[in-house]
Amino acid sequence: DTEVTQTPKHLVMGMTNKKSLKCEQHMGHRAMYWYKQKAKKPPELMFVYSYEKLSINESVPSRFSPECPNSSLLNLHLHALQPEDSALYLCASSQSPGELFFGEGSRLTVL
Amino acid sequence: QKEVEQNSGPLSVPEGAIASLNCTYSDRGSQSFFWYRQYSGKSPELIMFIYSNGDKEDGRFTAQLNKASQYVSLLIRDSQPSDSATYLCAVLYSTLTFGKGTMLLVSP
Repeated sequence: DTEVTQTPKHLVMGMTNKKSLKCEQHMGHRAMYWYKQKAKKPPELMFVYSYEKLSINESVPSRFSPECPNSSLLNLHLHALQPEDSALYLCASSQSPGELFFGEGSRLTVL
Repeated sequence: QKEVEQNSGPLSVPEGAIASLNCTYSDRGSQSFFWYRQYSGKSPELIMFIYSNGDKEDGRFTAQLNKASQYVSLLIRDSQPSDSATYLCAVLYSTLTFGKGTMLLVSP
């Protein structure tokens, strides 16, 4: 199994909602990542988990809250988002730094 | 600020031609370099990585690295319309830094 699975594929939420994005990998990779990508822009790193511990937080607003319940799962909890947070949210995993396997992404629209 | 620069394109080549995609980076200490392909509406996919000066070939793809010039390139031989995508150069500093990507259009 070489996939990184993300759910949901599409999410529409209001600014007062609380929702979560989920990511799962079964490749035994030690590191998992959340990236945000806007149209025609490169992916921007948000968080890195290494061996289930948060190792990098790229100054992301607290309305985004990551969680790594175990080595295969990564969640991104969303609360009080703004319309400018609408983007494609990409989960990735890796065993070697830089060699990322991306999921298909969750396309988020904040109304 | 550690930077990765790419020409945004589009780079247009006819089917069967060689497409040459270029990337420069700012930090001489960088050791690891990657090329990702991203089709429109899809997520990025790693297609090549290179760690040493010189060329690395994989099928129709060749990655070239020149650390003295801080330059990485990707050559795609016998380009196909299915190669039409945005190609992201990425450099590993403390984290992976992506360039803005070059859009490649291969016309039949």
